[in-house]
Amino acid sequence: EPEVTQTPSHQVTQMGQEVILRCVPISNHLYFYWYRQILGQKVEFLVSFYNNEISEKSEIFDDQFSVERPDGSNFTLKIRSTKLEDSAMYFCASKRTINSPLHFGNGTRLTVT
Amino acid sequence: EDKVVQSPLSLVVHEGDTVTLNCSYEVTNFRSLLWYKQEKKAPTFLFMLTSSGIEKKSGRLSSILDKKELFSILNITATQTGDSAVYLCAIESGSARQLTFGSGTQLTVLP
Repeated sequence: EPEVTQTPSHQVTQMGQEVILRCVPISNHLYFYWYRQILGQKVEFLVSFYNNEISEKSEIFDDQFSVERPDGSNFTLKIRSTKLEDSAMYFCASKRTINSPLHFGNGTRLTVT
Repeated sequence: EDKVVQSPLSLVVHEGDTVTLNCSYEVTNFRSLLWYKQEKKAPTFLFMLTSSGIEKKSGRLSSILDKKELFSILNITATQTGDSAVYLCAIESGSARQLTFGSGTQLTVLP
């Protein structure tokens, strides 16, 4: 069964550094999302992306965050200047149509030291 | 602000038991309710419910939605140790269909 693929599985970075989290959504999916889960807390919506633009973003998704679909297969989340509180599991997700269920990748655990 | 409340927060049962997990919600622009199973990493999709009163079933798992009372239940019959996981309820809302998650129910099934 096709799945959402995320790399790396774990990334450690120093405060103030830029990180790029990578995702390959399921191939015929058109809607892409990023969520995050801080340890011990709920899964939280960050941003949705459709037709090469952001369709919705949460309050968490401030100016230090950006998303890009640089080619036909990859979907990336960039954090420009990481802070300690950005440490979390970041999940990429995709769906085929607006009415389809959302499918999640295995996540990237980001640790900011 | 959309809100999803799950209960109980944790549950310990023995193999063979039947469990019922609860999810209540408040949302301004409801589209659907989804259940996910989260073991170590990715939430794995279980059910998507959009209409009241129609039970969805997959093997030993089933779920139903009540849009009037704003809740859903997830039933697991004849539990197995492999059912041990966090079960997440999420509400899909808004034009971008973003999900608002509950805190989850940690289910532990003992042999």
